[in-house]
Amino acid sequence: QVQLVQSGAEVKKPGASVKVSCKASGYSFTKYAMYWVRQAPGQRLEWMGWINAGNGHTKNSQKFQGRVTITRDTSASTAYMELSSLRSEDTAVYYCARDPWDILTGYPYGRFDYWGQGTLVTVSS
Amino acid sequence: SYELTQPPSVSVSPGQTARITCSGDALPKKYACWYQQKSGQAPVLVIYEDNKRPSGIPERFSGSSSDTMATLTISGAQVEDEADYFCSSTDSSGNHNVVFGGGTKLTVL
Repeated sequence: QVQLVQSGAEVKKPGASVKVSCKASGYSFTKYAMYWVRQAPGQRLEWMGWINAGNGHTKNSQKFQGRVTITRDTSASTAYMELSSLRSEDTAVYYCARDPWDILTGYPYGRFDYWGQGTLVTVSS
Repeated sequence: SYELTQPPSVSVSPGQTARITCSGDALPKKYACWYQQKSGQAPVLVIYEDNKRPSGIPERFSGSSSDTMATLTISGAQVEDEADYFCSSTDSSGNHNVVFGGGTKLTVL
């Protein structure tokens, strides 16, 4: 069965970076895109970026441009999201989510059929 | 920036039909998805492409879309359906940016 297992909770100081991992199993990792979505307390979900797990191409939300780096290790079927220059407003639960690939458009569909369990990142001095 | 708008809360009695709406200017041209999120858990996809149900999702969940509004319908809502429900779609910029609604708290009691 498809599983996305994320790394554990993190506590970081303002200005630091955090790297969250998402290990996939139960499907062909390179045939899908992986999104990163976060949910801050009381806020709506927001997408941060995605990676084509096959060719490594990425796209980031303009809101996080310059601060987020998404990578993958195909040998480990694992995707990573690194967020830098952390501030208190980055305190949130971070999710990875699998997205099927639309070969007609060359983009992911934007529908998330499996999610990781979430990783709480707390930014506090 | 583009937004999807949902009512903050909907309340029904068990066995009644719950309808949750999601409005957005691009919905006439873009598909909507719906996610269920129970407290402390990750979201679960319950509807995609306006009205398709992933395997394992009960038949009482259905979706529809007309003009600028998408609707999630839960026919015969059960106590275990109590959760937050989010809609999502993509904007019309051509950049395939995903947008989420603010979420609707469904209470079944």
